[in-house]
Amino acid sequence: GQNIDQPTEMTATEGAIVQINCTYQTSGFNGLFWYQQHAGEAPTFLSYNVLDGLEEKGRFSSFLSRSKGYSYLLLKELQMKDSASYLCAVRDGDYKLSFGAGTTVTVRA
Amino acid sequence: ETGVTQTPRHLVMGMTNKKSLKCEQHLGHNAMYWYKQSAKKPLELMFVYNFKEQTENNSVPSRFSPECPNSSHLFLHLHTLQPEDSALYLCASSQDEEPGELFFGEGSRLTVL
Repeated sequence: GQNIDQPTEMTATEGAIVQINCTYQTSGFNGLFWYQQHAGEAPTFLSYNVLDGLEEKGRFSSFLSRSKGYSYLLLKELQMKDSASYLCAVRDGDYKLSFGAGTTVTVRA
Repeated sequence: ETGVTQTPRHLVMGMTNKKSLKCEQHLGHNAMYWYKQSAKKPLELMFVYNFKEQTENNSVPSRFSPECPNSSHLFLHLHTLQPEDSALYLCASSQDEEPGELFFGEGSRLTVL
């Protein structure tokens, strides 16, 4: 099976920056996704990386290094509404999508 | 409004009951999925349907029985479940079977007593 690791929990202060790391070991690689899931709600798509480098989308950025099997999601200017679970998902060489267990981010005032 | 609607949102059932979960997508997608989400665990893919045909059964016990009558509707029939089956069951859809962005429903929270 695939192995996708991300921290279980992170806490940060409103207005700060938080970086959520994701490491993976898969058979082949066809892209990495980040999803946001608020408690009791559906996961929603945040970002997609298939080439090395940084993808920026407003306050959120996602980075990928395929040689290191590593990605991070960077949340800037944290707001209370950013408190949620963040899911890393990797698509392998057969285009099968596997998810990490998610990182619960708590933003404090 | 996610475009993928699941009912019921909450379900409590005994181990001898038979119940069904329903999913409907209004996005015109061709592929639909059932995932199981347990606390502190990764999302587990259960079934994949593409153009109404089941293309993947991820070693799911037969007490879970999927049905896909058309590309917009997906059911999960539940029969003689176990307490360890208690979880959030998420339905998702994507444009095609090689998933790019998945669109999830809000899930059905199942409790088996």
